[in-house]
Amino acid sequence: QLHLQESGPGLVKPTETLSLTCSVSGDSISSSGYHWGWVRRPPGKALEWIGSVYYSGTTNYNPSLKSRVTISVDKSKSQFSLNLKSVTAADTAEYYCARTFWFVNAFESWGQGTLVTVSS
Amino acid sequence: EIVLTQSPGTLSVSPGERATLSCRASQSLSSNSLAWYQQRPGQAPRLLIYGASSRATDIPDRFSGSGSGTDFTLTISRLEPEDLAVYYCQQYGVSPYTFGQGTKLEIK
Repeated sequence: QLHLQESGPGLVKPTETLSLTCSVSGDSISSSGYHWGWVRRPPGKALEWIGSVYYSGTTNYNPSLKSRVTISVDKSKSQFSLNLKSVTAADTAEYYCARTFWFVNAFESWGQGTLVTVSS
Repeated sequence: EIVLTQSPGTLSVSPGERATLSCRASQSLSSNSLAWYQQRPGQAPRLLIYGASSRATDIPDRFSGSGSGTDFTLTISRLEPEDLAVYYCQQYGVSPYTFGQGTKLEIK
Protein backbone atom coordinates (compact mmCIF):
# COMPACT_ATOMS: atom_id res chain seq x y z
CA GLN A 1 0.00 0.00 0.00
CA LEU A 2 1.28 3.41 -0.95
CA HIS A 3 2.55 5.58 1.90
CA LEU A 4 3.59 9.22 1.65
CA GLN A 5 5.41 11.08 4.43
CA GLU A 6 6.30 14.77 4.48
CA SER A 7 9.38 16.02 6.34
CA GLY A 8 11.07 19.35 6.84
CA PRO A 9 11.33 22.36 9.19
CA GLY A 10 8.16 23.46 10.92
CA LEU A 11 9.39 27.05 11.23
CA VAL A 12 10.88 29.19 8.47
CA LYS A 13 11.93 32.84 8.68
CA PRO A 14 10.51 35.44 6.30
CA THR A 15 12.50 35.87 3.05
CA GLU A 16 14.06 32.42 3.46
CA THR A 17 13.34 29.23 1.50
CA LEU A 18 10.81 26.63 2.62
CA SER A 19 12.05 23.12 1.82
CA LEU A 20 9.98 19.96 2.24
CA THR A 21 10.55 16.37 1.19
CA CYS A 22 7.99 13.65 0.56
CA SER A 23 9.19 10.08 1.06
CA VAL A 24 7.37 7.44 -0.96
CA SER A 25 7.02 3.80 0.05
CA GLY A 26 4.84 0.92 -1.03
CA ASP A 27 5.11 1.67 -4.75
CA SER A 28 7.70 2.90 -7.21
CA ILE A 29 8.04 6.65 -7.71
CA SER A 30 8.98 5.78 -11.30
CA SER A 31 5.64 4.16 -12.16
CA SER A 32 4.27 5.66 -15.36
CA GLY A 33 0.95 7.46 -15.41
CA TYR A 34 1.16 9.01 -11.94
CA HIS A 35 2.01 12.57 -10.97
CA TRP A 36 3.38 13.57 -7.58
CA GLY A 37 2.16 16.87 -6.20
CA TRP A 38 2.08 19.38 -3.40
CA VAL A 39 -1.09 20.97 -2.00
CA ARG A 40 -1.36 23.40 0.90
CA ARG A 41 -4.08 24.75 3.16
CA PRO A 42 -3.48 28.05 4.96
CA PRO A 43 -5.23 28.35 8.34
CA GLY A 44 -8.93 28.97 7.82
CA LYS A 45 -8.62 28.90 4.05
CA ALA A 46 -9.19 26.44 1.21
CA LEU A 47 -6.87 23.92 -0.38
CA GLU A 48 -4.44 25.27 -2.99
CA TRP A 49 -2.58 23.19 -5.58
CA ILE A 50 1.08 24.24 -5.64
CA GLY A 51 2.43 22.04 -8.42
CA SER A 52 3.21 18.54 -9.62
CA VAL A 53 6.11 16.53 -11.00
CA TYR A 54 6.32 13.40 -13.15
CA TYR A 55 9.01 10.79 -12.52
CA SER A 56 10.77 12.01 -15.68
CA GLY A 57 11.22 15.40 -14.01
CA THR A 58 8.56 17.23 -16.00
CA THR A 59 6.88 19.83 -13.80
CA ASN A 60 3.65 21.81 -13.77
CA TYR A 61 3.27 24.76 -11.41
CA ASN A 62 0.46 27.00 -10.24
CA PRO A 63 1.10 30.35 -11.98
CA SER A 64 0.36 32.17 -8.73
CA LEU A 65 3.49 30.58 -7.20
CA LYS A 66 5.53 29.69 -10.26
CA SER A 67 8.18 32.38 -9.80
CA ARG A 68 9.04 31.03 -6.33
CA VAL A 69 8.48 27.26 -6.61
CA THR A 70 10.68 24.36 -7.60
CA ILE A 71 9.50 20.74 -7.38
CA SER A 72 11.95 17.96 -8.12
CA VAL A 73 12.11 14.17 -7.93
CA ASP A 74 14.94 11.94 -6.68
CA LYS A 75 14.23 8.46 -7.97
CA SER A 76 17.24 6.94 -6.21
CA LYS A 77 15.83 7.98 -2.83
CA SER A 78 12.16 7.51 -3.79
CA GLN A 79 11.48 11.10 -2.79
CA PHE A 80 10.19 14.30 -4.29
CA SER A 81 10.76 17.77 -2.92
CA LEU A 82 9.26 21.24 -2.71
CA ASN A 83 11.30 24.44 -2.50
CA LEU A 84 9.42 27.71 -2.04
CA LYS A 85 11.67 30.76 -1.89
CA SER A 86 11.20 34.24 -0.45
CA VAL A 87 8.45 33.13 1.93
CA THR A 88 6.15 35.47 3.83
CA ALA A 89 3.55 34.95 6.53
CA ALA A 90 1.05 34.22 3.76
CA ASP A 91 2.92 30.97 3.10
CA THR A 92 2.07 29.65 6.57
CA ALA A 93 0.02 26.52 5.90
CA GLU A 94 -0.41 22.80 6.28
CA TYR A 95 1.53 21.29 3.38
CA TYR A 96 0.52 17.93 1.88
CA CYS A 97 2.24 15.73 -0.64
CA ALA A 98 0.01 13.55 -2.78
CA ARG A 99 -0.14 11.19 -5.77
CA THR A 100 -2.66 11.26 -8.55
CA PHE A 101 -4.65 8.45 -10.02
CA TRP A 102 -3.22 6.55 -12.99
CA PHE A 103 -3.57 9.04 -15.86
CA VAL A 104 -6.19 11.01 -13.93
CA ASN A 105 -5.01 14.18 -12.20
CA ALA A 106 -7.19 13.85 -9.10
CA PHE A 107 -5.15 13.18 -5.95
CA GLU A 108 -5.86 9.63 -4.81
CA SER A 109 -3.26 9.23 -2.05
CA TRP A 110 -2.14 11.82 0.47
CA GLY A 111 0.51 12.26 3.12
CA GLN A 112 -0.60 13.23 6.63
CA GLY A 113 0.55 16.81 6.16
CA THR A 114 3.06 19.03 7.90
CA LEU A 115 2.48 22.48 9.36
CA VAL A 116 4.96 25.12 8.27
CA THR A 117 4.89 28.48 10.03
CA VAL A 118 6.66 31.50 8.59
CA SER A 119 7.76 33.77 11.39
CA SER A 120 10.84 35.54 12.64
CA GLU B 1 -8.04 29.96 -14.28
CA ILE B 2 -11.25 28.04 -13.61
CA VAL B 3 -13.02 29.27 -10.49
CA LEU B 4 -15.11 26.80 -8.49
CA THR B 5 -17.88 28.15 -6.27
CA GLN B 6 -19.29 25.85 -3.61
CA SER B 7 -22.58 26.26 -1.81
CA PRO B 8 -23.69 26.45 0.86
CA GLY B 9 -20.75 27.57 2.95
CA THR B 10 -22.05 25.63 5.95
CA LEU B 11 -24.65 22.89 6.05
CA SER B 12 -26.24 21.44 9.18
CA VAL B 13 -27.95 18.06 8.80
CA SER B 14 -29.31 15.49 11.23
CA PRO B 15 -27.97 11.93 11.35
CA GLY B 16 -29.79 9.65 8.95
CA GLU B 17 -30.81 12.49 6.66
CA ARG B 18 -29.43 13.52 3.27
CA ALA B 19 -26.90 16.28 2.54
CA THR B 20 -26.63 17.91 -0.88
CA LEU B 21 -23.53 19.98 -1.71
CA SER B 22 -23.11 22.06 -4.84
CA CYS B 23 -20.08 23.06 -6.93
CA ARG B 24 -20.32 25.43 -9.89
CA ALA B 25 -17.46 26.00 -12.33
CA SER B 26 -16.76 29.28 -14.14
CA GLN B 27 -16.44 27.34 -17.41
CA SER B 28 -17.42 23.93 -18.67
CA LEU B 29 -15.19 21.08 -17.44
CA SER B 30 -13.93 18.75 -20.14
CA SER B 31 -14.44 15.04 -19.55
CA ASN B 32 -16.25 15.94 -16.32
CA SER B 33 -12.84 16.31 -14.70
CA LEU B 34 -14.20 17.08 -11.27
CA ALA B 35 -13.33 15.49 -7.93
CA TRP B 36 -14.74 15.72 -4.43
CA TYR B 37 -12.63 15.42 -1.26
CA GLN B 38 -13.53 15.06 2.39
CA GLN B 39 -11.28 16.64 5.01
CA ARG B 40 -12.10 15.69 8.59
CA PRO B 41 -10.67 17.82 11.42
CA GLY B 42 -6.96 17.20 11.85
CA GLN B 43 -6.75 14.82 8.90
CA ALA B 44 -5.52 14.94 5.33
CA PRO B 45 -8.03 15.25 2.50
CA ARG B 46 -9.53 11.99 1.23
CA LEU B 47 -10.65 11.48 -2.34
CA LEU B 48 -14.34 10.57 -2.52
CA ILE B 49 -15.37 11.05 -6.14
CA TYR B 50 -13.53 11.55 -9.45
CA GLY B 51 -14.79 12.00 -12.97
CA ALA B 52 -17.80 13.74 -11.39
CA SER B 53 -19.52 10.47 -10.48
CA SER B 54 -17.04 7.61 -9.93
CA ARG B 55 -16.45 6.58 -6.33
CA ALA B 56 -12.86 6.18 -5.24
CA THR B 57 -11.62 2.97 -3.64
CA ASP B 58 -13.34 1.98 -0.36
CA ILE B 59 -15.77 4.91 -0.44
CA PRO B 60 -19.21 3.80 0.77
CA ASP B 61 -22.13 4.04 -1.63
CA ARG B 62 -23.75 6.63 0.66
CA PHE B 63 -21.56 9.09 -1.26
CA SER B 64 -22.57 9.87 -4.83
CA GLY B 65 -21.58 12.49 -7.35
CA SER B 66 -23.50 13.85 -10.30
CA GLY B 67 -23.51 16.67 -12.79
CA SER B 68 -21.77 17.79 -15.95
CA GLY B 69 -20.58 20.92 -17.69
CA THR B 70 -20.51 23.60 -15.01
CA ASP B 71 -22.84 22.26 -12.31
CA PHE B 72 -21.95 19.38 -10.01
CA THR B 73 -23.43 17.86 -6.87
CA LEU B 74 -22.18 15.66 -4.06
CA THR B 75 -24.93 13.80 -2.22
CA ILE B 76 -24.39 12.10 1.11
CA SER B 77 -27.32 9.91 2.04
CA ARG B 78 -27.98 8.46 5.50
CA LEU B 79 -25.67 10.92 7.22
CA GLU B 80 -23.44 9.57 9.98
CA PRO B 81 -21.62 11.49 12.75
CA GLU B 82 -18.27 10.63 11.15
CA ASP B 83 -19.27 12.65 8.07
CA LEU B 84 -18.49 15.84 10.00
CA ALA B 85 -15.90 17.48 7.71
CA VAL B 86 -15.16 20.13 5.14
CA TYR B 87 -15.88 18.99 1.59
CA TYR B 88 -13.97 20.40 -1.38
CA CYS B 89 -14.52 20.09 -5.09
CA GLN B 90 -11.54 20.27 -7.45
CA GLN B 91 -11.23 20.54 -11.21
CA TYR B 92 -8.24 18.71 -12.64
CA GLY B 93 -8.84 19.08 -16.36
CA VAL B 94 -7.19 22.45 -16.91
CA SER B 95 -4.04 23.71 -15.21
CA PRO B 96 -3.89 25.34 -12.74
CA TYR B 97 -5.92 22.70 -10.94
CA THR B 98 -8.25 24.61 -8.65
CA PHE B 99 -10.31 23.85 -5.57
CA GLY B 100 -13.54 25.33 -4.36
CA GLN B 101 -13.62 27.21 -1.08
CA GLY B 102 -15.23 24.27 0.71
CA THR B 103 -18.54 23.39 2.38
CA LYS B 104 -18.46 22.71 6.11
CA LEU B 105 -20.86 19.91 7.03
CA GLU B 106 -22.14 20.02 10.59
CA ILE B 107 -24.08 17.24 12.25
CA LYS B 108 -27.11 18.39 14.22
